[in-house]
Amino acid sequence: AQRVTQPEKLLSVFKGAPVELKCNYSYSGSPELFWYVQYSRQRLQLLLRHISRESIKGFTADLNKGETSFHLKKPFAQEEDSAMYYCALIKDSNYQLIWGAGTKLIIKP
Amino acid sequence: ETGVTQSPTHLIKTRGQQVTLRCSSQSGHNTVSWYQQALGQGPQFIFQYYREEENGRGNFPPRFSGLQFPNYSSELNVNALELDDSALYLCASSLLQGVRGTEAFFGQGTRLTVV
Repeated sequence: AQRVTQPEKLLSVFKGAPVELKCNYSYSGSPELFWYVQYSRQRLQLLLRHISRESIKGFTADLNKGETSFHLKKPFAQEEDSAMYYCALIKDSNYQLIWGAGTKLIIKP
Repeated sequence: ETGVTQSPTHLIKTRGQQVTLRCSSQSGHNTVSWYQQALGQGPQFIFQYYREEENGRGNFPPRFSGLQFPNYSSELNVNALELDDSALYLCASSLLQGVRGTEAFFGQGTRLTVV
């Protein structure tokens, strides 16, 4: 069965420190993976997707098929990065998103 | 502003009642997906509508039903409400053109409380 696992419910780091939000998945086909972010009092929004291979707000994520991971990284955290982060996978049959439970990222000043 | 709007924003219902949640999709989008998000969890896929037809369904009982209208807005109906139906219900609209990785734009959600 398809599954997305985010092992950390909460991650707290100091401003300027590196950040890595972990995401592991299980999927029998060729995965399409995303990171969504939800800032306080805002709606869910797409942060980045692996097919784009781009850096958004300093964040990058590389799909590692061998380790079935799609970890989100940023070299220097900023206070405005504090938010809930969700890793998600598209199930190719009808494009439904399968979500991890989310990681709350807190950036301490 | 993404353009996806949901109504109402909050709702309190009694167990056994029925509820209808509404979603207005973003202009130009032809697909609406509904998700249930319980407290402390990630969203769970309920179903998706594409051009007024159901286009996939998650592991939810038949008392969860939906509709999509010609203007691509959508409704989620839940009958015989149970306490465990209390959650945030999210609507996401997207443009499905047979290309994978279509970005979904989310509404702000409807917070349903069943008492």
